[in-house]
Amino acid sequence: AQSVTQLGSHVSVSEGALVLLRCNYSSSVPPYLFWYVQYPNQGLQLLLKYTSAATLVKGINGFEAEFKKSETSFHLTKPSAHMSDAAEYFCAVSGPNQAGTALIFGKGTTLSVSS
Amino acid sequence: ETGVTQTPRHLVMGMTNKKSLKCEQHLGHNAMYWYKQSAKKPLELMFVYSLEERVENNSVPSRFSPECPNSSHLFLHLHTLQPEDSALYLCASSQVGTVETQYFGPGTRLLVL
Repeated sequence: AQSVTQLGSHVSVSEGALVLLRCNYSSSVPPYLFWYVQYPNQGLQLLLKYTSAATLVKGINGFEAEFKKSETSFHLTKPSAHMSDAAEYFCAVSGPNQAGTALIFGKGTTLSVSS
Repeated sequence: ETGVTQTPRHLVMGMTNKKSLKCEQHLGHNAMYWYKQSAKKPLELMFVYSLEERVENNSVPSRFSPECPNSSHLFLHLHTLQPEDSALYLCASSQVGTVETQYFGPGTRLLVL
């Protein structure tokens, strides 16, 4: 069975500081991994995804994530936080070749950015 | 319209009412999903339709009834709901046979009184 653990339900950073949101996964098959962002009163927006190509994945809004198989991790980073990055972030896992199978989401991490 | 749209965006209903949530995707996808998002809980998968056939139902109470008349439309029919059913209901779509990137609608915020 697949699962995702997001360490830290709430992360606070100052504007301009490094953002690090942690995600560890469990999967019996090579996983596909995703990061989504949710702004208040909106749906989920895809930030980036890992599909077994390059281990360092670049996404939108300056975010990137690195797949580390040895650590079963897929942490999300951004070098310099902006006020507009304040939102909830979800890590998700999916197995390949599973037609119509939904993603397994973590519980989410709320990112706060202070000026 | 582009992407995934959901109507209504907000809904207040009594426990004896019957209402329906609508989702429409404009992406040419062939799989659609209903999720429930409650405060302080992970997103819960409710229903999956692939090629217009239901392929997964995660033990959702029968007071929730999905309908997928075609690959672009998905409904969630609601009747005799409970206050604990108050949540954000999210619809998503994806293309089966590719990396299952799901695209989400903005959600319907439901309040059951």
